[in-house]
Amino acid sequence: DAGVIQSPRHEVTEMGQEVTLRCKPISGHDYLFWYRQTMMRGLELLIYFNNNVPIDDSGMPEDRFSAKMPNASFSTLKIQPSEPRDSAVYFCASSDREWTETQYFGPGTRLLVL
Amino acid sequence: RKEVEQDPGPFNVPEGATVAFNCTYSNSASQSFFWYRQDCRKEPKLLMSVYSSGNEDGRFTAQLNRASQYISLLIRDSKLSDSATYLCVVNKGGGADGLTFGKGTHLIIQP
Repeated sequence: DAGVIQSPRHEVTEMGQEVTLRCKPISGHDYLFWYRQTMMRGLELLIYFNNNVPIDDSGMPEDRFSAKMPNASFSTLKIQPSEPRDSAVYFCASSDREWTETQYFGPGTRLLVL
Repeated sequence: RKEVEQDPGPFNVPEGATVAFNCTYSNSASQSFFWYRQDCRKEPKLLMSVYSSGNEDGRFTAQLNRASQYISLLIRDSKLSDSATYLCVVNKGGGADGLTFGKGTHLIIQP
């Protein structure tokens, strides 16, 4: 299995631009998670899906952030408009059982907003 | 009090030594505990789950102390390849969803 796939791996954009991050979970996994990691705040859960349905989006910072999962093999996290404080590493993770079990992380997308 | 608290380190340890670090958590309703490992500029990966009775996996031993609300990780005969950041992870418990990650303890094994 290829593991969780994320794209792009690096993204540099200017403030105000739209950013779309993509994730393909491990086949057969029912749970998908989006995290953000910064030095100051560590790893934070933004939103997670179960069977393509958003379950908890309380971690989404504000309305500029949105996430979708149109099917079992694809999810997007969109930031519009982006701001410099959004600069972070964004990880996608998936899990095949209870969400509290092992989560398999993708390699992450390093986002820099200038 | 932070939900999950760890000493950020870095812990500088000579190769072959034994090193231990703790993590405290604030939510007494938490039921699931894990140690994840994160290499520099890489994604976190599960190292081991932490069970109430404690558990061992090769050179690694994890312990849980519910009364004092902390978990520990012990690494024996440390290797250069053990250099990484170790993240303490706790579920929120009490019916609430989500995992809470500590900010990690940075370990450097020196030759």
